[in-house]
Amino acid sequence: AQTVTQSQPEMSVQEAETVTLSCTYDTSESDYYLFWYKQPPSRQMILVIRQEAYKQQNATENRFSVNFQKAAKSFSLKISDSQLGDAAMYFCAFGGKLIFGQGTELSVKP
Amino acid sequence: GAGVSQSPRYKVAKRGQDVALRCDPISGHVSLFWYQQALGQGPEFLTYFQNEAQLDKSGLPSDRFFAERPEGSVSTLKIQRTQQEDSAVYLCASSLGSSRANRQAFFGQGTRLTVV
Repeated sequence: AQTVTQSQPEMSVQEAETVTLSCTYDTSESDYYLFWYKQPPSRQMILVIRQEAYKQQNATENRFSVNFQKAAKSFSLKISDSQLGDAAMYFCAFGGKLIFGQGTELSVKP
Repeated sequence: GAGVSQSPRYKVAKRGQDVALRCDPISGHVSLFWYQQALGQGPEFLTYFQNEAQLDKSGLPSDRFFAERPEGSVSTLKIQRTQQEDSAVYLCASSLGSSRANRQAFFGQGTRLTVV
């Protein structure tokens, strides 16, 4: 079975600092997609970044980047220069039908 | 429409009632997904449509849950004889295609169902 694990229920970061959210997954597939989604209190899931497993280069979207370690089945999200608007639940997700982790609640301190 | 629209936003049902939750995907999107998100948890996959065909319903928790997408656009998730454990947010998502190149899913704001 495919599973996604986020081991950090809560994380906190000072405004303008950098924070890394962890995610591990388990699959027997060799080609797949991985995603990080942000869910603010409005409940709407917003795609932050995605990574194709066959690409060795780590994906980057402005202040958001990933550290994708395929052999270790690890997919962490780094947020640089954190902003107050980054505060939300962050979910790691795997595959075409999206298997989600349990989420990490990120708070940003001014 | 500009985004995925779900209605109603909130629904309170008495235990044993039937409910119907609606999802309007982005126009032209082939794939449609339903998820159930319990409080404090990540969304859990319920079912997947490609156009009008329901290709995967492995996540539906019981035969009280039924989903349809008869014309390949709007989808309805129906829950019969609701139970308290059905209380959750139900999320709908759509994506342009089914190929790997079109895997970005866009989500609606969900329907919060409370069974009392």
